[in-house]
Amino acid sequence: GENVEQHPSTLSVQEGDSAVIKCTYSDSASNYFPWYKQELGKRPQLIIDIRSNVGEKKDQRIAVTLNKTAKHFSLHITETQPEDSAVYFCAATKLYSSASKIIFGSGTRLSIRP
Amino acid sequence: DVKVTQSSRYLVKRTGEKVFLECVQDMDHENMFWYRQDPGLGLRLIYFSYDVKMKEKGDIPEGYSVSREKKERFSLILESASTNQTSMYLCASRRDRGTNNNSPLHFGNGTRLTVT
Repeated sequence: GENVEQHPSTLSVQEGDSAVIKCTYSDSASNYFPWYKQELGKRPQLIIDIRSNVGEKKDQRIAVTLNKTAKHFSLHITETQPEDSAVYFCAATKLYSSASKIIFGSGTRLSIRP
Repeated sequence: DVKVTQSSRYLVKRTGEKVFLECVQDMDHENMFWYRQDPGLGLRLIYFSYDVKMKEKGDIPEGYSVSREKKERFSLILESASTNQTSMYLCASRRDRGTNNNSPLHFGNGTRLTVT
Protein backbone atom coordinates (compact mmCIF):
# COMPACT_ATOMS: atom_id res chain seq x y z
CA GLY A 1 0.00 0.00 0.00
CA GLU A 2 0.86 3.65 -0.08
CA ASN A 3 3.36 5.10 2.37
CA VAL A 4 3.99 8.83 2.70
CA GLU A 5 7.04 10.22 4.47
CA GLN A 6 7.26 13.87 5.45
CA HIS A 7 10.24 16.00 6.52
CA PRO A 8 11.11 17.87 8.61
CA SER A 9 8.94 17.14 11.62
CA THR A 10 9.53 20.65 12.97
CA LEU A 11 10.59 23.81 11.19
CA SER A 12 11.27 27.27 12.56
CA VAL A 13 11.79 30.22 10.19
CA GLN A 14 12.13 33.96 10.58
CA GLU A 15 9.09 35.96 9.59
CA GLY A 16 9.44 36.97 5.95
CA ASP A 17 11.68 34.04 5.04
CA SER A 18 10.59 31.00 3.02
CA ALA A 19 9.65 27.57 4.34
CA VAL A 20 9.87 24.28 2.47
CA ILE A 21 8.31 20.97 3.52
CA LYS A 22 9.08 17.79 1.61
CA CYS A 23 7.19 14.53 1.15
CA THR A 24 7.89 11.27 -0.63
CA TYR A 25 5.41 8.59 -1.59
CA SER A 26 5.81 4.94 -2.44
CA ASP A 27 2.94 4.03 -4.76
CA SER A 28 3.67 5.16 -8.31
CA ALA A 29 -0.07 4.91 -9.07
CA SER A 30 -0.85 7.80 -6.73
CA ASN A 31 -1.84 10.80 -8.77
CA TYR A 32 -3.32 13.39 -6.44
CA PHE A 33 -1.42 15.18 -3.66
CA PRO A 34 -3.25 17.55 -1.33
CA TRP A 35 -1.76 19.61 1.50
CA TYR A 36 -3.64 20.34 4.71
CA LYS A 37 -3.00 22.95 7.39
CA GLN A 38 -4.04 22.39 10.99
CA GLU A 39 -3.95 25.36 13.34
CA LEU A 40 -3.78 24.74 17.07
CA GLY A 41 -7.02 23.23 18.36
CA LYS A 42 -8.65 23.27 14.95
CA ARG A 43 -9.45 20.76 12.25
CA PRO A 44 -7.17 20.21 9.22
CA GLN A 45 -8.14 22.21 6.15
CA LEU A 46 -7.06 21.92 2.53
CA ILE A 47 -4.72 24.69 1.41
CA ILE A 48 -3.47 23.52 -1.98
CA ASP A 49 -3.36 20.37 -4.10
CA ILE A 50 -1.68 19.07 -7.23
CA ARG A 51 -2.37 16.34 -9.73
CA SER A 52 0.28 14.16 -11.30
CA ASN A 53 -0.14 15.71 -14.73
CA VAL A 54 1.12 19.03 -13.40
CA GLY A 55 4.63 19.81 -12.17
CA GLU A 56 3.90 22.94 -10.18
CA LYS A 57 0.94 24.88 -8.83
CA LYS A 58 0.90 28.24 -7.12
CA ASP A 59 -1.66 30.12 -5.04
CA GLN A 60 -0.43 33.48 -3.79
CA ARG A 61 2.33 32.78 -1.25
CA ILE A 62 2.08 29.00 -1.36
CA ALA A 63 3.21 26.66 -4.11
CA VAL A 64 3.53 22.93 -4.53
CA THR A 65 5.97 21.11 -6.81
CA LEU A 66 5.83 17.49 -7.89
CA ASN A 67 8.56 15.22 -9.24
CA LYS A 68 6.84 12.03 -10.43
CA THR A 69 10.06 10.28 -11.35
CA ALA A 70 11.52 10.70 -7.90
CA LYS A 71 8.08 10.32 -6.24
CA HIS A 72 8.38 13.41 -4.15
CA PHE A 73 6.46 16.64 -3.76
CA SER A 74 7.09 19.79 -1.76
CA LEU A 75 5.21 22.70 -0.23
CA HIS A 76 6.79 26.14 -0.49
CA ILE A 77 5.62 29.10 1.56
CA THR A 78 7.18 32.45 0.72
CA GLU A 79 7.19 35.67 2.77
CA THR A 80 6.06 33.77 5.84
CA GLN A 81 3.74 35.46 8.32
CA PRO A 82 2.79 34.65 11.93
CA GLU A 83 -0.52 33.15 10.79
CA ASP A 84 1.40 30.51 8.84
CA SER A 85 2.34 28.87 12.15
CA ALA A 86 0.54 25.52 12.16
CA VAL A 87 1.00 21.83 11.50
CA TYR A 88 1.10 20.95 7.81
CA PHE A 89 0.24 17.52 6.41
CA CYS A 90 0.91 16.19 2.95
CA ALA A 91 -1.18 13.34 1.54
CA ALA A 92 -1.35 11.04 -1.46
CA THR A 93 -4.19 9.19 -3.10
CA LYS A 94 -5.40 7.86 -6.42
CA LEU A 95 -8.03 9.55 -8.49
CA TYR A 96 -10.10 7.36 -10.80
CA SER A 97 -10.79 4.94 -7.97
CA SER A 98 -13.99 5.07 -5.97
CA ALA A 99 -12.47 3.34 -2.96
CA SER A 100 -9.15 5.10 -2.74
CA LYS A 101 -7.42 5.66 0.57
CA ILE A 102 -6.05 9.07 1.44
CA ILE A 103 -2.75 8.51 3.22
CA PHE A 104 -1.14 11.34 5.18
CA GLY A 105 2.42 12.11 6.12
CA SER A 106 3.40 12.49 9.77
CA GLY A 107 3.11 16.27 9.76
CA THR A 108 5.44 19.29 10.04
CA ARG A 109 5.07 21.79 12.85
CA LEU A 110 5.98 25.16 11.37
CA SER A 111 6.80 28.03 13.69
CA ILE A 112 7.30 31.57 12.43
CA ARG A 113 9.70 33.66 14.57
CA PRO A 114 8.84 37.37 14.78
CA ASP B 1 -20.58 25.12 4.11
CA VAL B 2 -19.98 21.46 4.78
CA LYS B 3 -20.56 20.41 8.33
CA VAL B 4 -19.02 17.28 9.80
CA THR B 5 -20.15 16.76 13.37
CA GLN B 6 -18.57 14.41 15.86
CA SER B 7 -20.83 13.65 18.78
CA SER B 8 -18.29 14.13 21.57
CA ARG B 9 -15.34 16.50 21.92
CA TYR B 10 -13.90 14.69 24.93
CA LEU B 11 -14.54 11.15 26.11
CA VAL B 12 -13.12 9.16 29.02
CA LYS B 13 -13.66 5.41 29.07
CA ARG B 14 -12.36 2.47 31.06
CA THR B 15 -10.29 -0.39 29.70
CA GLY B 16 -12.53 -3.11 28.28
CA GLU B 17 -15.51 -0.85 27.64
CA LYS B 18 -17.22 -0.81 24.27
CA VAL B 19 -16.95 2.67 22.81
CA PHE B 20 -18.94 4.28 20.02
CA LEU B 21 -17.69 7.39 18.22
CA GLU B 22 -20.32 8.96 16.01
CA CYS B 23 -19.87 11.16 12.97
CA VAL B 24 -22.55 12.86 10.90
CA GLN B 25 -22.15 14.93 7.74
CA ASP B 26 -24.81 17.10 6.20
CA MET B 27 -23.66 17.35 2.58
CA ASP B 28 -24.70 13.98 1.18
CA HIS B 29 -21.06 12.91 0.77
CA GLU B 30 -20.41 9.38 -0.42
CA ASN B 31 -17.00 8.88 1.18
CA MET B 32 -16.38 8.95 4.90
CA PHE B 33 -13.17 8.29 6.84
CA TRP B 34 -11.93 7.72 10.36
CA TYR B 35 -8.38 8.77 11.30
CA ARG B 36 -6.53 8.87 14.57
CA GLN B 37 -4.02 11.61 15.22
CA ASP B 38 -1.03 11.06 17.49
CA PRO B 39 2.01 13.32 18.00
CA GLY B 40 4.76 12.49 15.54
CA LEU B 41 2.62 9.97 13.69
CA GLY B 42 0.32 12.29 11.78
CA LEU B 43 -3.09 11.16 10.65
CA ARG B 44 -3.42 7.41 10.34
CA LEU B 45 -6.36 5.90 8.50
CA ILE B 46 -8.39 3.39 10.50
CA TYR B 47 -11.33 2.66 8.20
CA PHE B 48 -13.17 4.33 5.38
CA SER B 49 -16.47 3.86 3.58
CA TYR B 50 -17.36 4.78 0.02
CA ASP B 51 -21.06 3.91 0.23
CA VAL B 52 -23.77 2.81 2.63
CA LYS B 53 -22.93 -0.55 4.23
CA MET B 54 -19.54 -0.55 2.46
CA LYS B 55 -16.31 -0.39 4.40
CA GLU B 56 -12.62 -0.75 3.71
CA LYS B 57 -9.75 -1.22 6.14
CA GLY B 58 -7.21 1.51 6.43
CA ASP B 59 -3.69 1.13 7.73
CA ILE B 60 -4.50 0.47 11.40
CA PRO B 61 -7.87 -1.30 11.66
CA GLU B 62 -6.95 -3.67 14.47
CA GLY B 63 -9.13 -3.20 17.52
CA TYR B 64 -11.70 -1.15 15.62
CA SER B 65 -14.82 -1.72 13.56
CA VAL B 66 -17.17 0.63 11.74
CA SER B 67 -20.78 0.92 10.75
CA ARG B 68 -22.38 2.86 7.89
CA GLU B 69 -26.10 2.13 7.94
CA LYS B 70 -27.08 5.56 6.62
CA LYS B 71 -25.24 7.74 4.15
CA GLU B 72 -24.80 10.64 6.55
CA ARG B 73 -23.54 8.66 9.54
CA PHE B 74 -20.28 6.77 10.03
CA SER B 75 -19.62 5.18 13.40
CA LEU B 76 -16.31 3.99 14.79
CA ILE B 77 -16.52 1.20 17.36
CA LEU B 78 -13.89 0.13 19.83
CA GLU B 79 -15.06 -3.36 20.82
CA SER B 80 -12.93 -3.47 23.97
CA ALA B 81 -11.11 -0.23 24.64
CA SER B 82 -7.44 -0.39 25.56
CA THR B 83 -5.07 2.29 26.85
CA ASN B 84 -3.15 2.34 23.54
CA GLN B 85 -6.33 3.59 21.89
CA THR B 86 -6.08 6.85 23.80
CA SER B 87 -5.89 9.37 20.97
CA MET B 88 -7.55 12.14 18.99
CA TYR B 89 -10.03 10.66 16.50
CA LEU B 90 -10.93 12.64 13.40
CA CYS B 91 -13.82 11.89 11.09
CA ALA B 92 -13.81 13.24 7.54
CA SER B 93 -16.04 13.13 4.49
CA ARG B 94 -15.81 14.07 0.83
CA ARG B 95 -17.92 13.95 -2.27
CA ASP B 96 -17.22 11.19 -4.74
CA ARG B 97 -17.18 12.72 -8.19
CA GLY B 98 -16.70 9.43 -9.88
CA THR B 99 -13.53 9.02 -11.83
CA ASN B 100 -12.27 12.51 -11.16
CA ASN B 101 -12.49 12.84 -7.44
CA ASN B 102 -10.20 15.56 -6.22
CA SER B 103 -12.79 17.03 -3.89
CA PRO B 104 -11.26 17.93 -0.53
CA LEU B 105 -11.67 16.13 2.75
CA HIS B 106 -13.86 17.95 5.27
CA PHE B 107 -12.91 17.13 8.84
CA GLY B 108 -14.89 17.14 12.04
CA ASN B 109 -13.56 18.84 15.17
CA GLY B 110 -12.24 15.59 16.56
CA THR B 111 -12.94 13.48 19.64
CA ARG B 112 -10.21 13.23 22.23
CA LEU B 113 -10.61 9.78 23.75
CA THR B 114 -8.85 8.81 26.96
CA VAL B 115 -8.90 5.16 28.02
CA THR B 116 -7.93 4.59 31.63
